[in-house]
Formats: sequence, structure tokens, C-alpha cells
Amino acid sequence: DADVTQTPRNRITKTGKRIMLECSQTKGHDRMYWYRQDPGLGLRLIYYSFDVKDINKGEISDGYSVSRQAQAKFSLSLESAIPNQTALYFCATSETGQGDGYTFGSGTRLTVV
Amino acid sequence: QKEVEQDPGPLSVPEGAIVSLNCTYSNSAFQYFMWYRQYSRKGPELLMYTYSSGNKEDGRFTAQVDKSSKYISLFIRDSQPSDSATYLCAMISNSGGYQKVTFGTGTKLQVIP
Repeated sequence: DADVTQTPRNRITKTGKRIMLECSQTKGHDRMYWYRQDPGLGLRLIYYSFDVKDINKGEISDGYSVSRQAQAKFSLSLESAIPNQTALYFCATSETGQGDGYTFGSGTRLTVV
Repeated sequence: QKEVEQDPGPLSVPEGAIVSLNCTYSNSAFQYFMWYRQYSRKGPELLMYTYSSGNKEDGRFTAQVDKSSKYISLFIRDSQPSDSATYLCAMISNSGGYQKVTFGTGTKLQVIP
């Protein structure tokens, strides 16, 4: 099994719909992150969590919300999807956030039509 | 001006060539420097990290950091078709107690057999 598992792998949804992306990890790390990746813009941080009771906004949190259900689970919701939220979404985890780096999931490709 | 600049490529080289991938940055507060490799439809995976100026070797890969010039490089010796991927540089700074990670936009590399 992968260290970081994201579901679904692909999703097409309509404008205005609520959608949830799920992430679970088996690394035993406290720190988890949600990023989106767009061509030419790279990876941008949406939300991060350092433990179950700690949730923080990243640089592009508008239109998104998160829930840390357990140490191993961190979900991302789009409350009312819009087309410019079409992107590749990655969940990641890290032990310290420093030189040990991040372990990423395989991503969710989301298309909002 | 972006904090981290990376040539998007694509970079096409013959098998066996030495590849040089580069990033420049403007933020003197960056302390850790990393290189990630991302295969198509996969999440980034950590290749190398370093926190000091100079070179770090790992097999066919060498990471080089020049803090005075604000420039980092990744060299790949004896490149293989399996090295074909997008390479992302990433840099960490401490920002209000949080280790902020800034990613480059990635350079797409193709190694031709």
C-alpha cells in the first residue's frame, strides 16, 4: 500500500457542486498538507495541519475547507466548485517539515465544468 | 518577481548525457534546498536535500548550492530514459515559526534512448 493514498484519482464535477477529496497516510506523521498544482504556477499550498487540533490556511485557501479527522486522515472540500479550481491536487505528509522533505500522494485530477 | 525561478524546459538529451537542472532564488531566508522528481500522473518524490553551500552526491545525482549567487543545481550523470520526468526544486524558509516551502514550477526532462 502507498504511504499516502488519495481518493478519488480523477473527478469531474459541475460548477456549484460540493466535493470532497480524501487523503490518508500510513507514515505516522503529524504534519499533513494540501497542495494544488497548475501548469506554470507550480505547487501552491492550500491548507496545512500540524496535528489533529491544528489547522492553518495556506497561500490559496479561499474556496476550500479542510477536516483533520485523525492523525492519518486529512480531507479537502470545495464548498461550491468553480471552473478555475480545475487542477491537480496533492496531499502530502512530513515528519519535521525541514530537510526530511514531504511524501506526496499520487494526486487527484479535478475538473470543474 | 517569483521567489524561485526555474526554466520549464522541456529539456531533451540523449541517453548517457550529463544533465544540468537549475533554479535561482531571491529570498535570502531560504535555509533548506531540495530536489523532487515527478513522473507523469504521480506525486513528487524527494530526490535530494541539502542545507549548506557546496555539493552533495547520491549515486548519479549531485546537488549543488551556491548561496552567495542564490543558485542551486541538480546534475544527473549517465542519464537514463527512466530519468525522464519533471524535476522540481524546493526551498524552505522559517516564516513566523512555520517552515514555509516554496516550489519551483518544474523542468520537464526527456532522455532519448
